Amino acid sequence: SAVISQKPSRDICQRGTSLTIQCQVDSQVTMMFWYRQQPGQSLTLIATANQGSEATYESGFVIDKFPISRPNLTFSTLTVSNMSPEDSSIYLCSVEGASGARRYVSYEQFFGPGTRLTVL
Amino acid sequence: QKEVEQNSGPLSVPEGAIASLNCTYSDRGSQSFFWYRQYSGKSPELIMSIYSNGDKEDGRFTAQLNKASQYVSLLIRDSQPSDSATYLCAVATINYGQNFVFGPGTRLSVLP
Repeated sequence: SAVISQKPSRDICQRGTSLTIQCQVDSQVTMMFWYRQQPGQSLTLIATANQGSEATYESGFVIDKFPISRPNLTFSTLTVSNMSPEDSSIYLCSVEGASGARRYVSYEQFFGPGTRLTVL
Repeated sequence: QKEVEQNSGPLSVPEGAIASLNCTYSDRGSQSFFWYRQYSGKSPELIMSIYSNGDKEDGRFTAQLNKASQYVSLLIRDSQPSDSATYLCAVATINYGQNFVFGPGTRLSVLP
């Protein structure tokens, strides 16, 4: 599986500011995703980061609040804009790997280590 | 609305026992099923994937899939304290750029 890194690993931010989270993969991947995991909750998909086009956002998430860049096949950024305490969460990027010469190709997702964000 | 349900737990089992984790899903078009393990403060780690009805074994882990019942389970044999974690079920439809739907997770505690 791919090696995925995220920066920063954690941050404490003031209300109203913005934070950009970086996700770097050690190999080219077609699909990259951004998730949010609020305290004690499961993972919620924010958006799919598409290379060369705008990200595809899930219901409840908008580009103005969570702008995403995907300049190439190994890198993506997620910005959390105009933050409020409700944005305190772990933000995770994941990549989709196709593996195996089997009947189907398995689209497994592998996660980066996450960014723990606290907004005061 | 695609939904994935899991018992939230905590599920407590003694060391050496079999832990059984269950997951149901609502979308009959789902074709890919995954189990992730997440230790506290860490990101999810893929432990099993299953695509066809029946059982799939990998070491101490067995995934079971029943598409007719829309049910997928994970059995952990000879449970160890190091298996104590939250187990997340994820379900997806195979298409271009498939998106996963995660269940709420089941917290497993293996007691020494």
